[in-house]
Amino acid sequence: AQSVTQLGSHVSVSEGALVLLRCNYSSSVPPYLFWYVQYPNQGLQLLLKYTSAATLVKGINGFEAEFKKSETSFHLTKPSAHMSDAAEYFCAVTPTGFQKLVFGTGTRLLVSP
Amino acid sequence: DSGVTQTPKHLITATGQRVTLRCSPRSGDLSVYWYQQSLDQGLQFLIQYYNGEERAKGNILERFSAQQFPDLHSELNLSSLELGDSALYFCASSVGTQNTEAFFGQGTRLTVV
Repeated sequence: AQSVTQLGSHVSVSEGALVLLRCNYSSSVPPYLFWYVQYPNQGLQLLLKYTSAATLVKGINGFEAEFKKSETSFHLTKPSAHMSDAAEYFCAVTPTGFQKLVFGTGTRLLVSP
Repeated sequence: DSGVTQTPKHLITATGQRVTLRCSPRSGDLSVYWYQQSLDQGLQFLIQYYNGEERAKGNILERFSAQQFPDLHSELNLSSLELGDSALYFCASSVGTQNTEAFFGQGTRLTVV
């Protein structure tokens, strides 16, 4: 079964620093991959998605992710963190042939001034 | 605002009771998905409907059921509630069945006491 692993349940950065949130997937075929963000007491918002087109995907709020097949990774980055980026981030995969999202365990991003 | 509406936002009920959660998808979306988010299980896919028909089933308990009506809104029915059913229940919708982009509602927080 396809799955994603998010390394680090919490990541702390200073405002202005690089944000790197890690996600590795397990799949025998090219998957669809997603990053969602969840702000406190809110639903999930799609940040970006990979659907086998360009390997570097740009999303909203300055985030981007690179699909690396050789490393089975889809890490999320942002060059400069902002206080408003503090939230929980979920990597997700759609298993081939299924119509559901399989989520990772989430990474809480803390941004300090 | 994702365009997906869930009601109620909060629900407190006693063990053994039955509740109904409602979801109105984005205009034009035919697929509706239900997810459960709990501290111990994380984000879990429950069930998907497409244009009134069940399309995929995940980790949904037998005490839970769902349906999608002709106007495309969906209801998730939870019965014989247990303390462990306390969670945030999300509805998401997408245009088709491949779940390439799903938009999430803000969720219904269910507390079973």
